[in-house]
Amino acid sequence: DTGVSQNPRHKITKRGQNVTFRCDPISEHNRLYWYRQTLGQGPEFLTYFQNEAQLEKSRLLSDRFSAERPKGSFSTLEIQRTEQGDSAMYLCASSAGPPGTDTQYFGPGTRLTVL
Amino acid sequence: EDQVTQSPEALRLQEGESSSLNCSYTVSGLRGLFWYRQDPGKGPEFLFTLYSAGEEKEKERLKATLTKKESFLHITAPKPEDSATYLCAVQARGNKLVFGAGTILRVKS
Repeated sequence: DTGVSQNPRHKITKRGQNVTFRCDPISEHNRLYWYRQTLGQGPEFLTYFQNEAQLEKSRLLSDRFSAERPKGSFSTLEIQRTEQGDSAMYLCASSAGPPGTDTQYFGPGTRLTVL
Repeated sequence: EDQVTQSPEALRLQEGESSSLNCSYTVSGLRGLFWYRQDPGKGPEFLFTLYSAGEEKEKERLKATLTKKESFLHITAPKPEDSATYLCAVQARGNKLVFGAGTILRVKS
């Protein structure tokens, strides 16, 4: 399977704990995106990388959230001191091609439950 | 601020009963409009990209059209396996997608 992969698929944690998610994009895709989706809503943009550079961050991304993409390959999203409101599906997508006209392909997501 | 509104929120069809889903958008400088299909517990699956008013694209029983203010996803003679949530998204400034809340489609045999 050469699609976007995400790990873990499910994560249950207690409030106040830190969690980290990983995304492996489609090979040779230089752009990588993180979105968050809550029940009954469409995905909401969190942040975007082109190669290893983080080019855009949403106002939704509080100081407790940090994302990295070392070496421009896989990416990690860390949430510190989790809150119940962080419970959601975290989706990763990747793309290639001319900016603004390329298609974003999504992974299966990581479902986070904060107790 | 870019906005996307999808209607109806939910749609129940009998197998073979054709219908349309609506996506209305307000953006400054549309670069692309995207349709995705999402099954429960899975990530969105890409269906179509439309770039300019008047453009149409087809895939099996699905046909997407675009005007200056909205897009339609037409479903012809749907089957139960077409049941899913259909998401519409726009790309304007930058590379991020702005999504609507989706339309939940249920097709009964």
